[in-house]
Amino acid sequence: AQTVTQSQPEMSVQEAETVTLSCTYDTSENNYYLFWYKQPPSRQMILVIRQEAYKQQNATENRFSVNFQKAAKSFSLKISDSQLGDTAMYFCAFMKHVGDDKIIFGKGTRLHILP
Amino acid sequence: KAGVTQTPRYLIKTRGQQVTLSCSPISGHRSVSWYQQTPGQGLQFLFEYFSETQRNKGNFPGRFSGRQFSNSRSEMNVSTLELGDSALYLCASRTSVHFGGNTGELFFGEGSRLTVL
Repeated sequence: AQTVTQSQPEMSVQEAETVTLSCTYDTSENNYYLFWYKQPPSRQMILVIRQEAYKQQNATENRFSVNFQKAAKSFSLKISDSQLGDTAMYFCAFMKHVGDDKIIFGKGTRLHILP
Repeated sequence: KAGVTQTPRYLIKTRGQQVTLSCSPISGHRSVSWYQQTPGQGLQFLFEYFSETQRNKGNFPGRFSGRQFSNSRSEMNVSTLELGDSALYLCASRTSVHFGGNTGELFFGEGSRLTVL
């Protein structure tokens, strides 16, 4: 069974700094998908960024980028120029096959951006 | 396009009671997944329904059940409530693999917060 591990339960950084959230996963699959989701306080969870395992290039979405290390089964999220609005729970997630398979989440990292 | 709607948003029950939660997915989404979110365990997958059929199931006891209707709306039911069932229950919908442009992205509702006393 696939597992997703987020080793940092909570983190705090100053506004404008760069922060990296860690995620490791375990799978025997070769093709799969990885996600980072953001859950702001009392608000809906939304997708931040998505990576397809067969793509070697790391995904980037504005200030958010990932460091995908397939051999190491590592998928970290880097937030550059952090903003107060980045304060949220961040969940790393894994999915084997698009559309048919369940999406498995890690336990989350609570990120505080300090003014 | 309206987002995922969950009702009720908050509810309080006592041990031994049962509860039914409702989820209306984004129009056109035929897949609905349910997750239990607790501070200690994060998001745990309950089950997923697609075209009225349970497609995937997590490791929860039989007290947790669900169903999906022909209009893709879904309900989940928890019977014989226990204190440990207190949680935020999240519903999420996504497009089918048969639709072009499917990214696997889940679209979440705001959740139903259940407190069991």
